[in-house]
Amino acid sequence: QKEVEQNSGPLSVPEGAIASLNCTYSDRGSQSFFWYRQYSGKSPELIMSIYSNGDKEDGRFTAQLNKASQYVSLLIRDSQPSDSATYLCAVNDFGNEKLTFGTGTRLTIIP
Amino acid sequence: DAGITQSPRHKVTETGTPVTLRCHQTENHRYMYWYRQDPGHGLRLIHYSYGVKDTDKGEVSDGYSVSRSKTEDFLLTLESATSSQTSVYFCAISDRGNQPQHFGDGTRLSIL
Repeated sequence: QKEVEQNSGPLSVPEGAIASLNCTYSDRGSQSFFWYRQYSGKSPELIMSIYSNGDKEDGRFTAQLNKASQYVSLLIRDSQPSDSATYLCAVNDFGNEKLTFGTGTRLTIIP
Repeated sequence: DAGITQSPRHKVTETGTPVTLRCHQTENHRYMYWYRQDPGHGLRLIHYSYGVKDTDKGEVSDGYSVSRSKTEDFLLTLESATSSQTSVYFCAISDRGNQPQHFGDGTRLSIL
């Protein structure tokens, strides 16, 4: 059974600080990694994709991938109250059409 | 935003009745997926499709069936709804299997 683990939280971070969200996965064959943001009562929204080791930056968001250690993380710089949401990590294996999702981390940004 | 429409958006029905949820896409994507989302379980895959008339089971497929007769439409059917199938159902689409999926707005289904 492939697993994707996230800290369930909730995680509280002061406005303007860096929020750090972590995800570990069990299958070493995993090739594609995604972060989704989900506001309460809404659908998941893709915010980052990462496919190779290292960092990928997009605005205030940075995804970090370490395949040797089997973890992927998401950093949110200059956190804003609008970043308060549940963040889902999703992992896809090579040649597999399916994603495995973590249960999500609820993030609250405190003004 | 990806052109995905789920219908209905909300439904309340009784145990034992059949229910069909529809997902319609305008992106001409090959892959379509049905998930359910429940507190404490996250998103769980019910069924998915990799082409017209080509479908496969996910991790929680018991009690559900699907059909895809056209590229743009993917139907999820609960033949005889049970209270355990009360959930929020999301449809997702993807251009290729290893690419990110994009989600519809969801259907909130309550079975009494």
